[in-house]
Amino acid sequence: DGGITQSPKYLFRKEGQNVTLSCEQNLNHDAMYWYRQDPGQGLRLIYYSQIVNDFQKGDIAEGYSVSREKKESFPLTVTSAQKNPTAFYLCASSLGAGNNQPQHFGDGTRLSIL
Amino acid sequence: GEDVEQSLFLSVREGDSSVINCTYTDSSSTYLYWYKQEPGAGLQLLTYIFSNMDMKQDQRLTVLLNKKDKHLSLRIADTQTGDSAIYFCAERRRNSGYSTLTFGKGTMLLVSP
Repeated sequence: DGGITQSPKYLFRKEGQNVTLSCEQNLNHDAMYWYRQDPGQGLRLIYYSQIVNDFQKGDIAEGYSVSREKKESFPLTVTSAQKNPTAFYLCASSLGAGNNQPQHFGDGTRLSIL
Repeated sequence: GEDVEQSLFLSVREGDSSVINCTYTDSSSTYLYWYKQEPGAGLQLLTYIFSNMDMKQDQRLTVLLNKKDKHLSLRIADTQTGDSAIYFCAERRRNSGYSTLTFGKGTMLLVSP
């Protein structure tokens, strides 16, 4: 079945460590997105990519980095510069960026600090 | 940017109708969406409406759009316990040539038997 796979489901980070969250989609979607969700909060956009080898900062990009070397993959690295990384991270994709292209979501990765 | 506003909590009895409200901000928004999130899971797209429509019905779901007041609502008929979840509305905004979604904080719907 086509879909978006995020891994791992749970991730623990030590202080000062970088960690990378995986997001893979087999929907042949051009656009991919990373969001952060905190308890009682909506989703906040971290980074998005309209096409391979291109990405833009969202509203809260500081302390995060991404790459888009392949159409199906959009990994997110949470760097040690992100001082409050504990959150639920959601990856999404859409066929394109324009008109009505609904975003479809993975099941998320929950990141916690040890 | 400005916030998309939703009430935080709604409690209904099984079999009743639920109405979840949302106020958005960008009058040029083209599409508005409703997503459902169950505990520990990602967001599931429920339905969406184009801004030139007033209403859209999809089985038990009815979306009403008042563009003048920038008000969006989601009505769930014959609400079931399985409908208990957090519901997010989102608007599509233009951002430097790309369009992105801006989400509300979500409404937690609790359906009691």
